[in-house]
Amino acid sequence: SQQGEEDPQALSIQEGENATMNCSYKTSINNLQWYRQNSGRGLVHLILIRSNEREKHSGRLRVTLDTSKKSSSLLITASRAADTASYFCATDVLNTGNQFYFGTGTSLTVIP
Amino acid sequence: ETGVTQSPTHLIKTRGQQVTLRCSSQSGHNTVSWYQQALGQGPQFIFQYYREEENGRGNFPPRFSGLQFPNYSSELNVNALELDDSALYLCASRPGSNRSNYGYTFGSGTRLTVV
Repeated sequence: SQQGEEDPQALSIQEGENATMNCSYKTSINNLQWYRQNSGRGLVHLILIRSNEREKHSGRLRVTLDTSKKSSSLLITASRAADTASYFCATDVLNTGNQFYFGTGTSLTVIP
Repeated sequence: ETGVTQSPTHLIKTRGQQVTLRCSSQSGHNTVSWYQQALGQGPQFIFQYYREEENGRGNFPPRFSGLQFPNYSSELNVNALELDDSALYLCASRPGSNRSNYGYTFGSGTRLTVV
């Protein structure tokens, strides 16, 4: 079963705009991570945020985490056509020996 | 770094057969996990190995089994294949101890089709 759920399921924006994706999860976590997947290939790790952190930046990516609401958001600023992909949040669930559970994903399309 | 490599990339099997998928972890990574990803879905956790021992399992039946070898390479075995086993199987590895905060490095996956 999926631990997390991304929202929206699909998002289409113009190049240069910002894209925001949200993730909600069910249980306590060690950390939360975001991954990108291009066309059914392997996933690429983007960013990790620990349970005691509230915000983290990496290049054009900004991640927030609210453990009280069990939610996270991923913001991609100044989007590019190359950002077109599916984005998944993955939760490192507490007391499971660092097992990761993925959400359902957001499909992002950036129109040139 | 050589990354995570999986073989084969594509495979077609008949219902009832058995299959073995292989994964070579990234150098220095001692933890490996396997995931099943159906079309249009997120990856589903199958199991995780840490230093050759299974230390976690998702909601998959016993006909899904695995091994991790001393060089930290890994295998996923599926017996008595069913049509619903058709999916992309992903292997992922990471370094560190059981309580580390590291992201996974994923392989490109094996596309299994059961007919």
